[in-house]
Parts: sequence; structure tokens; C-alpha cells
Amino acid sequence: DIQMTQSPSTLSASVGDRVTITCRASETISNWLAWYQQKPGKPPRLLIYRASTLVSGVPSRFSGSGSGTEFTLTITSLQPDDFASYYCQQYDNYSRTFGQGTKVEIK
Amino acid sequence: EVKLVESGGGLVKPGGSLRLSCAASGFNFNNHNMNWVRQAPGKGLEWVSSISSSGTYIFYADSVKGRFTISRDNARDSLSLQMNSLRAEDTAFYYCVREPDYGGTDYFDYWGQGILVTVSS
Repeated sequence: DIQMTQSPSTLSASVGDRVTITCRASETISNWLAWYQQKPGKPPRLLIYRASTLVSGVPSRFSGSGSGTEFTLTITSLQPDDFASYYCQQYDNYSRTFGQGTKVEIK
Repeated sequence: EVKLVESGGGLVKPGGSLRLSCAASGFNFNNHNMNWVRQAPGKGLEWVSSISSSGTYIFYADSVKGRFTISRDNARDSLSLQMNSLRAEDTAFYYCVREPDYGGTDYFDYWGQGILVTVSS
């Protein structure tokens, strides 16, 4: 299986900060990568697919980049609603795998 | 509006069985691959199983292969997961999850609210 490694595991930030989360794949996955946001007690919500395509309705402060094995999720100007956990996920093959998650906390 | 509603969760003893169901509405169920994804309380996400739109192609995570069976009824817009020989490590929230209708292996665009399965004596 393709392993996905996210960093950091926890991130403390303030409203207005620029935040970057990194996801690394154990082998190349082209751009078959998605990002999800999850709040406590809720299911994950798709934010980005194909590494950089923003889902309709997701604020433009979210962006994704990368290809091959290195990917990033960036939130410019963090808002109160953005404090949550974020997961990357590869879909290069049927055995979809997720990163271990990054919790974005209030500093 | 796309809706995925899971049912059938609960408390079961180790070695027991449970059947989860997912009722889909608001979209053409026949056109979409479907999946189950689980999340142990306080932990990360784990893909469990997928089934193609026609039911022809089925895949499982190694952790559940031989114990879980995924199926679908396109006439009833429903997805199921039969879970046998349950273990404590199967304790998790189970999500019914849809892929977009592009075919092939894809990301997950809609998730149900999830249902808790607890395996404990």
C-alpha cells in the first residue's frame, strides 16, 4: 500500500496566519491527491481534489499544490471556522490511503 | 440534495456479526462507485471497502479481507456491509462514502454522518 505521511501532526496558529500542511507519498501518485477537513463529531468534507482543484463552495483561502510525492495544503489568512483536522488521501489505486491527519489548533 | 444515511451499528461481542446499511438519495445511485471508510474514536481515517457502480468490482482493505462483505442494491439505492468475526480493533465510526461519477478509482465527494460500531465483551 502507498503510505501517506502528513506533517505536522498538530499546528498551533492564530486567526489571520498563513498555514501550510505537507503530505508526502511513499511512491509517486501523479496528482491523485485529495484534501479533507473534519470538525469534531462531523464527517470529513472534501476541500480539494486532483491536488489543486478547489471544490465548489470552498473558500479561496484554501489552495493545494504538488505532484509526484510531495503535496501541500495552504490556508492563507486562517479564519475561526478553519480550526479543524485536515487529512490528505491518495487515490492512485483502489487501496485508498489517508495521511494521519493534522489538527489545526488555536494558539 | 445528496444524502447518505447509515444504520445498523451498535454494540457487539468479539467474534460476533453486524450488518451496516446505507440509504442513498438525491442522486443517481447507479452511476457511482461506493465505499465504506472507518474512523476509530479519536483516530485517523481508514478506507475499508469499495464496490463499483454495477457491483462488478469489489475491493477490501487487508485488515477486513475475508471477514467483511460489501454489497449494493441499485434497485433500492442501498449499500451494505456485512461484518463477521468482529474484533475489538474494528470499533469505529463507519461512513458510507460516494465517489464522483467519473469511473475508475477516485476521491470521496460525499460522506454520510457515520454510525458507531463497538466491539466489546
